[in-house]
Amino acid sequence: GENVEQHPSTLSVQEGDSAVIKCTYSDSASNYFPWYKQELGKRPQLIIDIRSNVGEKKDQRIAVTLNKTAKHFSLHITETQPEDSAVYFCALRPDFGNEKLTFGTGTRLTIIP
Amino acid sequence: DAGVTQSPTHLIKTRGQQVTLRCSPISGHKSVSWYQQVLGQGPQFIFQYYEKEERGRGNFPDRFSARQFPNYSSELNVNALLLGDSALYLCASSDPGQGTYEQYFGPGTRLTVT
Repeated sequence: GENVEQHPSTLSVQEGDSAVIKCTYSDSASNYFPWYKQELGKRPQLIIDIRSNVGEKKDQRIAVTLNKTAKHFSLHITETQPEDSAVYFCALRPDFGNEKLTFGTGTRLTIIP
Repeated sequence: DAGVTQSPTHLIKTRGQQVTLRCSPISGHKSVSWYQQVLGQGPQFIFQYYEKEERGRGNFPDRFSARQFPNYSSELNVNALLLGDSALYLCASSDPGQGTYEQYFGPGTRLTVT
């Protein structure tokens, strides 16, 4: 079955600096890779996603890169702000039609003012 | 436009009891998935229903069951509750018929088993 490893588990970054979170996976059939942000006591919120036919996607300060050959994908947050503090989860889905998402273990990101 | 809604928000049950959790998807979404999130971990997939049919099942015991209604809302039932069932239960809706992949989560139901 799918296995997703996420690193680091915790990350502290000075406000204004960049943060990078990386996930590796084992199932080469995976073709959809979303990232979710979860604030304390709240629902996971989809912040960006990428499909397997794309190598990089950017949305303002957030970007995701995918390397299908090496089976890893990363979340990049630039110009970090205090409101970026949260737990971030990577996830993947094997194929369209199967809605199951397999999540990573999460990264607790703390932005230091 | 309302997002995914879930009820109740919080629930306290004792071991051996049964619980029913409810979810209403985003209007127009026909797929509902259920996840269990234990404190400090990522969500774990329990079930997916699409057009009232079960499309996927995670590695959970038969004490867990679900169904989807004609209006695409869904219920998750857990029988013979164990302490280890204490978790945040999340519902996610999506619209795979439109060729989109995104899943949107509800606020969750926090279940405490004592």
